Amino acid sequence: EVQLLDSGGTLVPPGGSLRLSCAASGFSFTSHAMTWVRQAPGKGLDWVASLTGTGRATYYSASVKGRFTISRDNSKNSLFLQLNDLRPEDTALYYCARSPQTYDSSGEVVYYFDYWGHGTLVTVSS
Amino acid sequence: SYFVTQPPSMSLSPGETARLVCGGDKIGDKYVHWYQQQPGQAPVLVIYDETDRPSGIPGRFSGSKSGDTATLTITRVEAGDEAVYYCQVWHTAGDRHVVFGAGTMLTVL
Repeated sequence: EVQLLDSGGTLVPPGGSLRLSCAASGFSFTSHAMTWVRQAPGKGLDWVASLTGTGRATYYSASVKGRFTISRDNSKNSLFLQLNDLRPEDTALYYCARSPQTYDSSGEVVYYFDYWGHGTLVTVSS
Repeated sequence: SYFVTQPPSMSLSPGETARLVCGGDKIGDKYVHWYQQQPGQAPVLVIYDETDRPSGIPGRFSGSKSGDTATLTITRVEAGDEAVYYCQVWHTAGDRHVVFGAGTMLTVL
């Protein structure tokens, strides 16, 4: 059974830093890209970042690029998100998600999200 | 940057057919995926690659696309289908990024 256990969320002051973790089990971790998606209270889904199975390619939303870093440790089946220079608008429930790859009509590799963690809450407030 | 649009809400009675739409420029060139999110729960993938259903998703759920609009169809709607439904694409031109629609709240009266 695929399981994703995200953790690390807490209350942080503006400008602070935090590291989120996602422990994966029940599938071949190295064979899958992984993604972080967040959801502010009462709002919709907001993609944060993705990285490939090898970790060599990373992708970020414009709102977090330069402040957040996605990484993985394939030896420990773990995904991470380092959040720096946090702002109140970063307050959200952060989900990790397994990201199988597919191909669009032009042959580009693209991803969707087939399994999600339960989320870990990050609150940025003084 | 790229964006997709979804109507904010839809209301139906049990047994009716829901057609939830997702529009975007040249969405015909992209694969559209759909997620269901019930209150207090993580999202669940219900359709991927526009028309494929993950195991465990009822056959009442189907996906299609025509022109610049993708559609998630739920036949014989049940109370348990009440949720927010999000469409998602991956924009590959220029700076690659994922786009979610704002979601459609489906209410089953």
